[in-house]
Amino acid sequence: NAGVTQTPKFRVLKTGQSMTLLCAQDMNHEYMYWYRQDPGMGLRLIHYSVGEGTTAKGEVPDGYNVSRLKKQNFLLGLESAAPSQTSVYFCASSYSPRLAGASTDTQYFGPGTRLTVL
Amino acid sequence: TQLLEQSPQFLSIQEGENLTVYCNSSSVFSSLQWYRQEPGEGPVLLVTVVTGGEVKKLKRLTFQFGDARKDSSLHITAAQPGDTGLYLCAGVRDTGNQFYFGTGTSLTVIP
Repeated sequence: NAGVTQTPKFRVLKTGQSMTLLCAQDMNHEYMYWYRQDPGMGLRLIHYSVGEGTTAKGEVPDGYNVSRLKKQNFLLGLESAAPSQTSVYFCASSYSPRLAGASTDTQYFGPGTRLTVL
Repeated sequence: TQLLEQSPQFLSIQEGENLTVYCNSSSVFSSLQWYRQEPGEGPVLLVTVVTGGEVKKLKRLTFQFGDARKDSSLHITAAQPGDTGLYLCAGVRDTGNQFYFGTGTSLTVIP
């Protein structure tokens, strides 16, 4: 049981290049999330998915696209990278943010991808 | 501006001291979570609080959810070097289904 894995761990891009970050989870979770983490700003949600074949925008979706073709995988794409996208990217998964009543589920995070755009 | 603001942003204390970290918002949350993150790793869940006024204890850590469900606090008693890390609060609002994370508090406990 590997939990949540992310590839690659590090990447350096030039402005205008494209790339795809891959997230995989083996816990059969319905929900998956992509966050970016910048100093002094905590984690900000980019896009999320509530199930296979569905995606939704988070707080900071501009410049990113996502796909959830398989339940266990969630891909984050940068079509034309910009220096402002230099960040650490985290993927997470959970059964659901809401269970019965007002409780919430646990998010399990991957180890992160450190992306630098020059 | 972030939906959840944490204070202080940085905290450096001696081993054995007590400390409190705050997580505040003008919005109401159905629940709040606290995570700890170590360098080079993803955040790991410490606790979830779901009822206004709820208090939960995890060894030397005490978590409280505000009565109005707009704020939360984390109190650490007799801090140890192993408590060093970035502490993040996160919440789900009454409407919606996405998590909002706080700005983070970086704690350093000096031996």
